[in-house]
Amino acid sequence: ETGVTQTPRHLVMGMTNKKSLKCEQHLGHNAMYWYKQSAKKPLELMFVYNFKEQTENNSVPSRFSPECPNSSHLFLHLHTLQPEDSALYLCASAEARSYEQYFGPGTRLTVT
Amino acid sequence: GQQLNQSPQSMFIQEGEDVSMNCTSSSIFNTWLWYKQDPGEGPVLLIALYKAGELTSNGRLTAQFGITRKDSFLNISASIPSDVGIYFCAGQTPNTGNQFYFGTGTSLTVIP
Repeated sequence: ETGVTQTPRHLVMGMTNKKSLKCEQHLGHNAMYWYKQSAKKPLELMFVYNFKEQTENNSVPSRFSPECPNSSHLFLHLHTLQPEDSALYLCASAEARSYEQYFGPGTRLTVT
Repeated sequence: GQQLNQSPQSMFIQEGEDVSMNCTSSSIFNTWLWYKQDPGEGPVLLIALYKAGELTSNGRLTAQFGITRKDSFLNISASIPSDVGIYFCAGQTPNTGNQFYFGTGTSLTVIP
């Protein structure tokens, strides 16, 4: 595997379910990001991790819970989501002092 | 938050034509990046710019960091069908660390 991978690619969940999104980067980067991409809106930064430490949390509701066990893996735990949370969730990584972010293919999430 | 205005929102062009799009902000930016996103995939980094006035090429793509530091331009020469996609600008302002702001995108359709 190369680059940034995300699983699953598609996810349908009910509002009472609990699920997790996974991201893995094979680029040796130390910063990882979660973004939300909704139709006709700019990418919204959700969380930033540098060297496994969370450095940004852009007022994201607590029903989204990130986890970064090491610099190669990033999770987004989901629980009691709302239909408006349906979107493409993108993971990205970058070297610690670089601004060049590399994105995964995303997880298309549908909340029913 | 910071807003990046991208224009045009969409373009329909004939194969072989040149394309120009731009991105403007109300604040000064230190870094400008241009990404392309294909349907169902994550954005792919095309060009990164770090200095005002900088002009950088990547094959048929050329991007410039505006001298006012509040805008950036992307040109595609001799378009081909695989140029179809959504092009995003992204920028980083002073004192925002690793946070990037993304534009709303320019959708490009190339007619063979």
